[in-house]
Amino acid sequence: QVQLVQSGPEMRNPGASVKVSCRASRYTFTNYAINWVRQAPGQGLEWMGWISPYSGDTKYVQNLQGRVTMTTDTSTSTAYMELRSLRYDDTAVYYCARELNWALDSWGQGTLVTVSA
Amino acid sequence: EIVLTQSPGTLSLSPGERATLSCRASQSVSSSYLAWYQQKRGQAPRLLIYGASSRATGTPDRFSGSGSGTDFTLTISRLEPEDFAVYYCQQYGSSPPYTFGQGTKLEIK
Repeated sequence: QVQLVQSGPEMRNPGASVKVSCRASRYTFTNYAINWVRQAPGQGLEWMGWISPYSGDTKYVQNLQGRVTMTTDTSTSTAYMELRSLRYDDTAVYYCARELNWALDSWGQGTLVTVSA
Repeated sequence: EIVLTQSPGTLSLSPGERATLSCRASQSVSSSYLAWYQQKRGQAPRLLIYGASSRATGTPDRFSGSGSGTDFTLTISRLEPEDFAVYYCQQYGSSPPYTFGQGTKLEIK
């Protein structure tokens, strides 16, 4: 079945950047948008943004505009999410998820990003 | 932005009982755009229901979704031990495209 495999945990200092990858397999990568969702410790789900691997079009949540960039590499069926100027409250598990029928039908395993001095 | 409010925050029930989870939207949501997810501790969310009432692949038929407009419901007809988890509703809209409810924790009584 569909697989989304994410890169491993990361630790960064405040102000640094982090780039998380999400490798897709067992489906045609360019046919489905990839969304990124994060979850702070003990909290709910926060949608971060969306990218179309087919067109490269993106849409980001307003409160991350200017700090987040989502890209894809169709040659390797991999999506990337880069977050810059990290703050303590960016500490969270970051998920990639495939979009189907206006829902997120397959999810990566999650990547813990810890922001700590 | 459409805000989704889930109730109750925590639901305490026993295996074999029926669970009813509510999701209320601040504005009308197309039924096509309402989904439910299950998340177990330490795991990624799993899609259960999309289009308000369509079960995702692999979702047991004890799970059902209903509702329209601003009021949506996830019902678990007879709770199994593996159903105790956190449940989120989600809607697809225009800005931002996706919003989630704050979650309902279903715990064993």
